[in-house]
Amino acid sequence: QQQVKQSPQSLIVQKGGISIINCAYENTAFDYFPWYQQFPGKGPALLIAIRPDVSEKKEGRFTISFNKSAKQFSLHIMDSQPGDSATYFCAASRGSTLGRLYFGRGTQLTVWP
Amino acid sequence: DTGVSQDPRHKITKRGQNVTFRCDPISEHNRLYWYRQTLGQGPEFLTYFQNEAQLEKSRLLSDRFSAERPKGSFSTLEIQRTEQGDSAMYLCASRSTEAYWKNTEAFFGQGTRLTVV
Repeated sequence: QQQVKQSPQSLIVQKGGISIINCAYENTAFDYFPWYQQFPGKGPALLIAIRPDVSEKKEGRFTISFNKSAKQFSLHIMDSQPGDSATYFCAASRGSTLGRLYFGRGTQLTVWP
Repeated sequence: DTGVSQDPRHKITKRGQNVTFRCDPISEHNRLYWYRQTLGQGPEFLTYFQNEAQLEKSRLLSDRFSAERPKGSFSTLEIQRTEQGDSAMYLCASRSTEAYWKNTEAFFGQGTRLTVV
């Protein structure tokens, strides 16, 4: 059973546009929600993360929006660039135990120049 | 390089052979995780260690899989009698539990790509 559901599976955006990736979860015990970026042949790298005590977190062009009541969170990439082309994974964990991460299936983002 | 290091980067083996992968975590990180990633999927949890203690194992970790972290530093993941379905990227990650609200980031290595032929 997929603990974190991610959509869309693939996304094509023009340079300068906004990329939006959505995730949903069921387990209300999750309290740490990171997004990872992965390039081909590389391991995932943390992009940005949020805890449920805030509804939004922004770091540069990357913003996480978090809706606790709907159990949904999303990644917005503003002014998307060709260098942002990668696979993005949302994840969740129960931070109090700093345990395993539950990953979504990933979104392959392509930004056209 | 002070990141998570995995060796080898690529491994091709014949079905039925045993393989062993090594992970060297970031030195001050006391928690170490193994994940498996198949093509087009997100990483799936296999097991994790707190220092040398193995605290959780996924049901994905069949009897053919074993992981160790004998001195609480590097870890090894062994797969016995490999099957074609074991072909995947095996990722190692580490993090520190010293301060909960800080430094909760899990750092991943570049993975070991296993191909079973």
